[in-house]
Amino acid sequence: AQSVTQPDIHITVSEGASLELRCNYSYGATPYLFWYVQSPGQGLQLLLKYFSGDTLVQGIKGFEAEFKRSQSSFNLRKPSVHWSDAAEYFCAVGATGTASKLTFGTGTRLQVTL
Amino acid sequence: GAGVSQSPSNKVTEKGKDVELRCDPISGHTALYWYRQSLGQGLEFLIYFQGNSAPDKSGLPSDRFSAERTGGSVSTLTIQRTQQEDSAVYLCASQGGYYNEQFFGPGTRLTVL
Repeated sequence: AQSVTQPDIHITVSEGASLELRCNYSYGATPYLFWYVQSPGQGLQLLLKYFSGDTLVQGIKGFEAEFKRSQSSFNLRKPSVHWSDAAEYFCAVGATGTASKLTFGTGTRLQVTL
Repeated sequence: GAGVSQSPSNKVTEKGKDVELRCDPISGHTALYWYRQSLGQGLEFLIYFQGNSAPDKSGLPSDRFSAERTGGSVSTLTIQRTQQEDSAVYLCASQGGYYNEQFFGPGTRLTVL
């Protein structure tokens, strides 16, 4: 069965500082990997995805993530955080194929101090 | 429409009542998913539709939960005899596009008193 671990429940960073949110997954084959962001009272917005190919993927809002098969990781990074990035971030894994339910991590809440 | 819509946005009901939650997917998307987001359980899969069929219902927590999809479009999630533990945000996603991404609606916040 697939699973996702986000070890950090809550992270606080200063505006302008760099950010890395950790995600480890468990899946028997090459997975599809996703990062979603959820602002308070909002639905989930896709930040970026990895399906195949280049292991460093770029997303919206200046985010990027790197797929490391040897570490079963898909960490999210941003070089300089903005106050508007404060939200909850979810890593998710899906099986390869045309239709697949997503398994989510428990989320990391990001607080940005000014 | 341009995105996935869900109604109502908020629903407060009394324990034991039935509720219906609606999802309008992005036009042309054949796959539709329901998820539940609750404090104790995080984000969990409930059911998946391909067209009007539901090949995977494995996430439905009990037989009080059911869902249907008609015309390959709108889906309704029905919870019968609601319990307080059903309080959660119910999210719908439709799947499509070049990479078959899942696009989420804003959710329905259900509160069972």
